[in-house]
Amino acid sequence: TQLLEQSPQFLSIQEGENLTVYCNSSSVFSSLQWYRQEPGEGPVLLVTVVTGGEVKKLKRLTFQFGDARKDSSLHITAAQPGDTGLYLCAGALGGGADGLTFGKGTHLIIQP
Amino acid sequence: EAGVVQSPRYKIIEKKQPVAFWCNPISGHNTLYWYRQNLGQGPELLIRYENEEAVDDSQLPKDRFSAERLKGVDSTLKIQPAELGDSAVYLCASSLRTGAYNEQFFGPGTRLTVL
Repeated sequence: TQLLEQSPQFLSIQEGENLTVYCNSSSVFSSLQWYRQEPGEGPVLLVTVVTGGEVKKLKRLTFQFGDARKDSSLHITAAQPGDTGLYLCAGALGGGADGLTFGKGTHLIIQP
Repeated sequence: EAGVVQSPRYKIIEKKQPVAFWCNPISGHNTLYWYRQNLGQGPELLIRYENEEAVDDSQLPKDRFSAERLKGVDSTLKIQPAELGDSAVYLCASSLRTGAYNEQFFGPGTRLTVL
């Protein structure tokens, strides 16, 4: 059983379109991170959300943490080819330095 | 500031051979993690170190996998003997322990292919 479910698994859209990626769980997380991974590279941290209902913006990316701290979403406005990559959500069940639980990821392709 | 360094980047071996991966974390980061990422999956934690102590190795297959972080800085992950199913990307990450939340920084990974 996957602790963190990401959807969709694959998404291919045209440049300029908007999209939302979801990360859902039945568990409560102390914090949740979103990472982006390109082929042949390690995941790169985009954002950390810690408070239920929190919204963070990073240029055209908007991240939201659910009120109950069980789910999160990533919304990209006016997607660009440079946004192509694997987007991973990862949750920390405990505080401090516990290992992260990752979802399977969303493979995003933005076509010019 | 230099990021997490891993070597080698790629390794191809035959089954039953030993293999070792090396990781140098970000300077000052006392927590180090090894993850395994299978094709099409997210990373899965193998082991976590706090300084030189392995504080969570519950997911490490101890019959063939071992790890060490002797001086609390660099770390080595070893597989002996390797099996076909060990083919994956092995990622090292480090973090600066905080009381609030956990932000981990990853290296580029070592892609292992077992033939």
